[in-house]
Amino acid sequence: GESVGLHLPTLSVQEGDNSIINCAYSNSASDYFIWYKQESGKGPQFIIDIRSNMDKRQGQRVTVLLNKTVKHLSLQIAATQPGDSAVYFCAEKDNFGNEKLTFGTGTRLTIIP
Amino acid sequence: AAGVIQSPRHLIKEKRETATLKCYPIPRHDTVYWYQQGPGQDPQFLISFYEKMQSDKGSIPDRFSAQQFSDYHSELNMSSLELGDSALYFCASSPRRGGFTEAFFGQGTRLTVV
Repeated sequence: GESVGLHLPTLSVQEGDNSIINCAYSNSASDYFIWYKQESGKGPQFIIDIRSNMDKRQGQRVTVLLNKTVKHLSLQIAATQPGDSAVYFCAEKDNFGNEKLTFGTGTRLTIIP
Repeated sequence: AAGVIQSPRHLIKEKRETATLKCYPIPRHDTVYWYQQGPGQDPQFLISFYEKMQSDKGSIPDRFSAQQFSDYHSELNMSSLELGDSALYFCASSPRRGGFTEAFFGQGTRLTVV
């Protein structure tokens, strides 16, 4: 079936450096994408979203890039902090009658002090 | 700000028992989703409700059922529990605004089946 997946299961980054987390999706009908952050034992927390009519969106220290041609999504976190250590999931939604978010495999980001 | 409330936070049941998980969405959110997350796994969509009607269905076992009530809270009923049902169960809610809106997740219920 359709799926969303991440290239790397783990990523370690030095504190203060920038990190990039990648995601590949396969449902060409997906028109809405969200990055979630999940800390241990907690629910996924919204970070940033992007619609399919955009290729870039910026938030506070985070940027999401969308390349629909190759069905690729990335999350860039600038100047990483220890609090950024978590598992990051991309999720996609097909808004043609579907309400559910489909999650990809998470990437565990570890910030090295 | 009010968040999605789930209860209980932790639940231990024996095999073949039943369990009921409750979810109270953010006020004025009329869409509720249920997800199951196994250890080290991504959240798997189970079922969703909009305005008290089932709106989408995922990989929910026949042993599970769910409903949304008139006050928009939702309950996930799980029967004949199996060891493999041990997982984190998340509820999420969203306001239905044309579909381009994120889902807000609760803190989850950790179900352990022994």
